Amino acid sequence: SAVISQKPSRDICQRGTSLTIQCQVDSQVTMMFWYRQQPGQSLTLIATANQGSEATYESGFVIDKFPISRPNLTFSTLTVSNMSPEDSSIYLCSVVSGLHEKLFFGSGTQLSVL
Amino acid sequence: AQKITQTQPGMFVQEKEAVTLDCTYDTSDPSYGLFWYKQPSSGEMIFLIYQGSYDQQNATEGRYSLNFQKARKSANLVISASQLGDSAMYFCAMREAGTNAGKSTFGDGTTLTVKP
Repeated sequence: SAVISQKPSRDICQRGTSLTIQCQVDSQVTMMFWYRQQPGQSLTLIATANQGSEATYESGFVIDKFPISRPNLTFSTLTVSNMSPEDSSIYLCSVVSGLHEKLFFGSGTQLSVL
Repeated sequence: AQKITQTQPGMFVQEKEAVTLDCTYDTSDPSYGLFWYKQPSSGEMIFLIYQGSYDQQNATEGRYSLNFQKARKSANLVISASQLGDSAMYFCAMREAGTNAGKSTFGDGTTLTVKP
């Protein structure tokens, strides 16, 4: 299993500002994943963060809006830039680990944009 | 087309009774994995159970079991002896073979409320 520490757990931000979410894993992993969960909706993969290379973004998500850093094999950050109320969501980082390559998730960051 | 369908937005169950949460999926890939996750009100996502497309038997994990009907493309989660702590959102997810290991497709979820 993998233990993931994610912070902040929640934040309330003003429109037009940026927020950086941090994710720390207790073991080295090749890939880390960032998901978004909009209110009352399902999870959508934003991007895959690989150490030593640019993140791979899913359709509908762009680097300018969601820049990702992956400086080493245990840490990643996701920045939500130039925020608008539509960015209000839960953001979750995750890794694949163990039997069946199941996803382990951080505790999530609940973001509200005013 | 949606790949994972959870038709029950909300479900209620009496404490100590069993409940089934429905999940149907759509894929043309013969090799895939199906997962169920629990999301309490705190927001964290917790892995519950896994079923592989080639598994001959239904998966079980403690009070959780998976009713896997491959021909019908359904993977329903059965929770036996419900507890108040089971009240949460439950997500069914699928990952097809060959895809990015972290790229699972999630259903819209079912909110389960356990009544005392």
